[in-house]
Amino acid sequence: DAGVTQSPTHLIKTRGQHVTLRCSPISGHKSVSWYQQVLGQGPQFIFQYYEKEERGRGNFPDRFSARQFPNYSSELNVNALLLGDSALYLCASNLGGYSNQPQHFGDGTRLSIL
Amino acid sequence: QKEVEQNSGPLSVPEGAIASLNCTYSDRGSQSFFWYRQYSGKSPELIMFIYSNGDKEDGRFTAQLNKASQYVSLLIRDSQPSDSATYLCAVTSYTSNTGKLIFGQGTTLQVKP
Repeated sequence: DAGVTQSPTHLIKTRGQHVTLRCSPISGHKSVSWYQQVLGQGPQFIFQYYEKEERGRGNFPDRFSARQFPNYSSELNVNALLLGDSALYLCASNLGGYSNQPQHFGDGTRLSIL
Repeated sequence: QKEVEQNSGPLSVPEGAIASLNCTYSDRGSQSFFWYRQYSGKSPELIMFIYSNGDKEDGRFTAQLNKASQYVSLLIRDSQPSDSATYLCAVTSYTSNTGKLIFGQGTTLQVKP
């Protein structure tokens, strides 16, 4: 079975631009979470979605937004990109979004801001 | 105080030895604990999870949880050079009701042949 798939794998943008990252969860998983990982740090929680509803949001500015579609895939949007947004963006899925259910990560999208 | 703390390392062990990785957490409401392995340039890969006090074994890996002392550890027996990676400890809390993972900064493990 396919794991969590993310696209694109790499992206280069300039300051002020907008970016959309995409994620497809493992088949049967209804919850998707997004994380940002900067070099040398653990991933930081951005959003969690379950059944198209936002279940949680981390400490990120309103420039970050996301949504989940009826097929449980998800998009993360970042507006007005800053140099500090350069990071590995990770998508994870689990069955129902509950805290005791392991989350499985995709390969990530590496975003570089010039 | 960070919510989840790990020694960044590097922790260096010889091949065949036991590697011991430790993690402490601050939220007593934490309920679920996960260990992820991350190779350089790759994404985190789930290797163990534990919910109850005590030990949980899976192959060469053993996770240990002590909620009273608020620490969780990962033991890797018969360490191999292929185990060289960063190990991330992650915690979730029922009180947050989001299932979000709170990660430590990771411990880099080096297994020397």
